[in-house]
Amino acid sequence: DAGITQSPRYKITETGRQVTLMCHQTWSHSYMFWYRQDLGHGLRLIYYSAAADITDKGEVPDGYVVSRSKTENFPLTLESATRSQTSVYFCASNNRRLNTEAFFGQGTRLTVV
Amino acid sequence: TQLLEQSPQFLSIQEGENLTVYCNSSSVFSSLQWYRQEPGEGPVLLVTVVTGGEVKKLKRLTFQFGDARKDSSLHITAAQPGDTGLYLCAGAMVKAAGNKLTFGGGTRVLVKP
Repeated sequence: DAGITQSPRYKITETGRQVTLMCHQTWSHSYMFWYRQDLGHGLRLIYYSAAADITDKGEVPDGYVVSRSKTENFPLTLESATRSQTSVYFCASNNRRLNTEAFFGQGTRLTVV
Repeated sequence: TQLLEQSPQFLSIQEGENLTVYCNSSSVFSSLQWYRQEPGEGPVLLVTVVTGGEVKKLKRLTFQFGDARKDSSLHITAAQPGDTGLYLCAGAMVKAAGNKLTFGGGTRVLVKP
């Protein structure tokens, strides 16, 4: 199906475990983003990517790793999950032009116990 | 401290009433976007405003971008239960790299029938 999809939708993991959240888009958008959403903080940018093999840190990158070997995929890895990383994670994409709409996935609700 | 401050954080009104949500910053933005998010979903774009002083109307929703491009407002006339949701403003910084958006903390709107 066309669009931007995230998997899994829900994940429970234990402290210290590595977990990867997947994001796939079918529009060939250049830019992809990972945000986390927490009560009282809105959406905060974790990492973003301007193209395949080009990634950069956002506002809250500590504890996260990203890669982008293909334009359509942008996985986010928590190397050693902590309780403070319990959140809802959103992947988004848009194209090169300024002021264009960001398209969001449905989110992954991650709980670290 | 968030770059974009939204107020109020929560708004509960009766069907038929009007409401206004504010988005303020000390920074200048090249554009400002408003998104609406429903539970379990990602944000969806409502409008993008680009020019200082610009006013855009989308049916019962009126969006305004401040003259100095530092603030914006969303006004809903005769609110309906279907307007219930989380409203997020997002700004693209004038010199931002990577099409990055900075989000406000969100305003949760509840319209009671």
